Amino acid sequence: DTAVSQTPKYLVTQMGNDKSIKCEQNLGHDTMYWYKQDSKKFLKIMFSYNNKELIINETVPNRFSPKSPDKAHLNLHINSLELGDSAVYFCASSIGRKDTYEQYFGPGTRLTVT
Amino acid sequence: AQSVTQPDIHITVSEGASLELRCNYSYGATPYLFWYVQSPGQGLQLLLKYFSGDTLVQGIKGFEAEFKRSQSSFNLRKPSVHWSDAAEYFCAVGLNTGFQKLVFGTGTRLLVSP
Repeated sequence: DTAVSQTPKYLVTQMGNDKSIKCEQNLGHDTMYWYKQDSKKFLKIMFSYNNKELIINETVPNRFSPKSPDKAHLNLHINSLELGDSAVYFCASSIGRKDTYEQYFGPGTRLTVT
Repeated sequence: AQSVTQPDIHITVSEGASLELRCNYSYGATPYLFWYVQSPGQGLQLLLKYFSGDTLVQGIKGFEAEFKRSQSSFNLRKPSVHWSDAAEYFCAVGLNTGFQKLVFGTGTRLLVSP
């Protein structure tokens, strides 16, 4: 059984389009995250939700909007896509919001904006 | 500002040889420290973590890491590398902010030669 799953795995789209990436975890975790990994493999947190409440919102353009319909799902919607949005986006989850908890990562979504 | 440095972008090790991957951090307090591994096309998997206590921690897949406060380091080691260890390795610092916020290093790509 996949613990943290993301769809789609690959996404190729044109500049200016709007797209969504979905994430689901079946671990019963309370906290979920979105990370962006750029072409140099640098991994940076974007958002974190705990029990559907936004707890981390890093300096991310407001074209990016996370939505958590329930504890098991965290989606990422991106408006007006730009070339610089091309990256691999990882979803992760942890049992709770404490810093000592392990994060479980999904396989990533490779977004290519042309 | 908090930061994590992995000075080696690439490392090549012969199969069966020992491995040490370096990680240095900059943080005012004692951080929570993690090593994650990313296999090609996969998400990240936790290898080991340090919060407190014994400064030598054991992880999965035969890896260990040693926390040295005086050097602000948390180097990852393995006595005998296997070809399947070829992957990207990330050191991360968990900021003691009351909730999970990981700051990642830029990663070290491990290549294993026959």
